[in-house]
Amino acid sequence: DQQVKQNSPSLSVQEGRISILNCDYTNSMFDYFLWYKKYPAEGPTFLISISSIKDKNEDGRFTVFLNKSAKHLSLHIVPSQPGDSAVYFCAASQLSNFGNEKLTFGTGTRLTIIP
Amino acid sequence: DTEVTQTPKHLVMGMTNKKSLKCEQHMGHRAMYWYKQKAKKPPELMFVYSYEKLSINESVPSRFSPECPNSSLLNLHLHALQPEDSALYLCASSQVSSSTDTQYFGPGTRLTVL
Repeated sequence: DQQVKQNSPSLSVQEGRISILNCDYTNSMFDYFLWYKKYPAEGPTFLISISSIKDKNEDGRFTVFLNKSAKHLSLHIVPSQPGDSAVYFCAASQLSNFGNEKLTFGTGTRLTIIP
Repeated sequence: DTEVTQTPKHLVMGMTNKKSLKCEQHMGHRAMYWYKQKAKKPPELMFVYSYEKLSINESVPSRFSPECPNSSLLNLHLHALQPEDSALYLCASSQVSSSTDTQYFGPGTRLTVL
């Protein structure tokens, strides 16, 4: 049962334009959402996060939007740069029965920025 | 500084070998995690340590044995692995274990089991 879904396995965007990556989730117990960027054979790098009590968080070129009623979040990158080419994972967090954080990842979207 | 280090970077082992993966962080984080990532799949949680105690084991086979010697170190001992255990093993840490703490990942160990 995939609780966090990224329905676009890949996305190509022209350099300088806006990249929009989407993520849907099914578990209403998730209360914290994160985006990670990953290059091949490297660990995920944290990009930006948002708490479930907010609907928008911005950090430089990155903005994350959360629509709780639709159980949907998106990552906007503007302007897109060639160095943004990577796989982007959406992740959602909830407290486990043992009081620990459990992070559930989406399947990833491969973003390619075209020069 | 949000650095998590992992050694070795690559490891090739036979099915009868015993080896260990190491993870270290000096951010004062009290929660540490092991994940497994297969090609073209998302990372999957294996173990969670909170204040040096194992708090989550996601039904991982006993051929994987985690150890947390102190708050900065996390090991994963490997014994009698199968070829299907070949994957990227990722370590992560977070401030304290709650649902709004950000996990920071290491670069991973690429494991190949022959």
